[in-house]
Amino acid sequence: DGGITQSPKYLFRKEGQNVTLSCEQNLNHDAMYWYRQDPGQGLRLIYYSQIVNDFQKGDIAEGYSVSREKKESFPLTVTSAQKNPTAFYLCASSTTKEGVGYEQYFGPGTRLTVT
Amino acid sequence: EDKVVQSPLSLVVHEGDTVTLNCSYEVTNFRSLLWYKQEKKAPTFLFMLTSSGIEKKSGRLSSILDKKELFSILNITATQTGDSAIYLCAGYGGATNKLIFGTGTLLAVQP
Repeated sequence: DGGITQSPKYLFRKEGQNVTLSCEQNLNHDAMYWYRQDPGQGLRLIYYSQIVNDFQKGDIAEGYSVSREKKESFPLTVTSAQKNPTAFYLCASSTTKEGVGYEQYFGPGTRLTVT
Repeated sequence: EDKVVQSPLSLVVHEGDTVTLNCSYEVTNFRSLLWYKQEKKAPTFLFMLTSSGIEKKSGRLSSILDKKELFSILNITATQTGDSAIYLCAGYGGATNKLIFGTGTLLAVQP
């Protein structure tokens, strides 16, 4: 089955701890994305990567870090510097063909709660 | 600043009703507009619109884009309780060619 997997589904952490969220895809997509979703705010882009070993900051990158060592994997680390880390995190992937745009496929999400 | 605005923010209807969800956008270097349905978890892709005036249809759902007035609508006819979800609209473009999402419309269909 092709798709995007995220783990864990639910994650609880104490304030001050770093935490890493996993995202894996077997769709052979070049581009991968991390979004954060808060109630009433839609999806906001944290980081994205269009090719292995390269990534760019999105709109709300502060307090987060990523790596892209393999095409299939794009883990997100929520650091202790992120002021409001409690949120629903969505990973997505897409092709990067030139053109008018392309759909992004989303994973099931990780709900992170920091207390 | 690029932005996508959806309305209404939430909507409650009864089964069998027809609903229209609105999405307006201001996206530089605009290339396409996408609609997603989000139930409990991952948003699932519905439509991608690139040309004005051409309706895309899938079952009871349809959507159209107006590039002159910078908006799109998503219509759902004969609504069912399974249509209850958040409907997200996103414009593709901007300085770095990415999806800019609206806040979504929460649709609740009552039996």
